[in-house]
Order: sequence, then structure tokens, then C-alpha cells
Amino acid sequence: QVQLQESGPGLVKPSQTLSLTCTVSGGSISSGIYYWNWIRQAAGKGLEYIGRIYNSGWITNYNSSLKSRLTISVDTSKNQFSLTLTSVTAADTAVYYCARAGAGFDSWGPGTLVTVSS
Amino acid sequence: DIVMTQSPDSLAVSLGERATINCKSSQSVLYIPNNKNYLAWYQQKPGQPPKLIISWASTRESGVPDRFTGSGSGTDFTLTITSLQAEDVAVYYCQQYFTAPTFGGGTKVEIK
Repeated sequence: QVQLQESGPGLVKPSQTLSLTCTVSGGSISSGIYYWNWIRQAAGKGLEYIGRIYNSGWITNYNSSLKSRLTISVDTSKNQFSLTLTSVTAADTAVYYCARAGAGFDSWGPGTLVTVSS
Repeated sequence: DIVMTQSPDSLAVSLGERATINCKSSQSVLYIPNNKNYLAWYQQKPGQPPKLIISWASTRESGVPDRFTGSGSGTDFTLTITSLQAEDVAVYYCQQYFTAPTFGGGTKVEIK
């Protein structure tokens, strides 16, 4: 049973960089079968897809609205993947989830709240 | 991007009654070569991540009660809860994975 766990700072100042890591246990991130994803949800709002990385040469796909500020990377030695979002504003305040996708997002981390505030 | 539109935004249903949620995609999510609809449904309860309940438009995930049924094809899809239970109170989302994933806006299901 794969498990995912987000980690990173809960508070980021405006204009700075948000960095989160997702640690995967119970399965290899390098298996090539799945996509590894980031999704966020502002308080009281719906789900917003951020982007993904997958092992076909470690290709990334990003939400076009975030693409200029976003990087998703992988550390196979630690079985982790990461999100970096630059130049954050209050609009980036949300619960950030990492999730595994095959046919749909079948495994999720519990989520981590990131607040952008000075 | 494919836009997913859910309706209604919320609904209140009596215990034991039927709840129906609709989801429409801005373009077809049916892949003709394998005749599969790249459409999933999720259930999200407060303070929890979403839970995948249906994939391929109509395939229930393991452990999901059979009162949850997904149907539809192409651009129009429905999630039906045939006999609403108290534990079904949640927000439900549809999501397409035909192209870069996108979600519907969600439907809040409450008890009348």
C-alpha cells in the first residue's frame, strides 16, 4: 500500500519561494507506471491541478497558469518528488497535496497547509 | 485545457433517497481506440484529502459501496448515490485525465 507524505514550511513570505517535498513509501517512484502529482486547494474552494512528473525520462507537465513560476523535480535516491513555486502571493495560500495517478489520483498525502503572509 | 462543469453546486437529499450529480466536459474524454472514458469521481470529507471512488467513468474502486454508480460517455457524465447514507455527506468532484488533469468545481451533498 503506497503512502505519500508532504513536508515543508507552513509559512512563506510574499515574493519568496515555496518549496515542498513528497516522500513516497510502499512503492518505487521510479516504477514508470504512475504519474506523481501536486494539487492544491484554497480554503473553502475546489481542487486546482498544479503539475506532475513521470518516469519516461522524468517528463514534467505544468498547469499553464503556474508554469512560469513552477518546477517539479524528483530525487529517486530518496523516493521523493518536490515542488518549487517562486514569487508567491497570498493567492498561493492553500492546502497542498501530493498524489499518485494511474487511472485517476488513487493515493493522496494528507495535505499540508501553506500560508503566504508577511 | 478541458473545462469540467459540475451541477448542481449543492444538493440536499433525504436519507435513503437518490442523489444525482452531473459533470460535463468541454470536449470528449472518450478515447476511441480503447473505448474508455478518462473520467474519475472523488469524494472529499472535511479535513481529508479527496478519495477516488470511480475511475474510467463507471468502475468503482475497491471497497466503494455499490450505491455509488458512475455513468455517461463522451462529454456527459453522472454520479448517482442510490440510497444516501449519513456517511455520504461530502463534496464530490469529477476529473478528466484524457489530457492534463482538470477538476470540476465540486458538488456539496447534504442531508435534507
